[in-house]
Amino acid sequence: SAVISQKPSRDICQRGTSLTIQCQVDSQVTMMFWYRQQPGQSLTLIATANQGSEATYESGFVIDKFPISRPNLTFSTLTVSNMSPEDSSIYLCSVEEQRRSAWNEQFFGPGTRLTVL
Amino acid sequence: DAKTTQPPSMDCAEGRAANLPCNHSTISGNEYVYWYRQIHSQGPQYIIHGLKNNETNEMASLIITEDRKSSTLILPHATLRDTAVYYCIMQTGANNLFFGTGTRLTVIP
Repeated sequence: SAVISQKPSRDICQRGTSLTIQCQVDSQVTMMFWYRQQPGQSLTLIATANQGSEATYESGFVIDKFPISRPNLTFSTLTVSNMSPEDSSIYLCSVEEQRRSAWNEQFFGPGTRLTVL
Repeated sequence: DAKTTQPPSMDCAEGRAANLPCNHSTISGNEYVYWYRQIHSQGPQYIIHGLKNNETNEMASLIITEDRKSSTLILPHATLRDTAVYYCIMQTGANNLFFGTGTRLTVIP
């Protein structure tokens, strides 16, 4: 199974600044995903990032606020731009691996806990 | 993707079986039932999935009703480390998992 690391694991940032979160996978994967988990809430998909193409954003999320890079098959970054306290969340990346019988499983990173003051 | 309904919380005694229900009455024919769990301060972890047959692996068993409108995840011998939020998800693959509110399972010593 894929092993995923994220940097930073946590950060405290000032309003109006930006933070870039890195996601590193120990194997080559086609699809990577970025999720947000607000305090006490479930996970919400932000976007899907495929190597070689622009990320696909879910309703309510825009590229200007959450620019994503996917330079190769093992790495992706998510930037949270012009932060406000409402952006305080855990941000998780995940990857999809194809298992037997053609079904896919998602593996999640440990998350980045962001607090915006 | 079909909406799921789960109880917000459940308790289970350590060593006993934990049975977590999920209603998915609008499931379509090609949607799988996936279960993930999220232990505090960690990312979600895959548990099991199925289409229409009951499934068992080293972690759990999944029982799907014949009409596929509901399912039950069974942890046969719950331990304290099974305390987590359990998510029941309907999907045609693992893409774009839609996480509902889940069930917070507390295993009690």
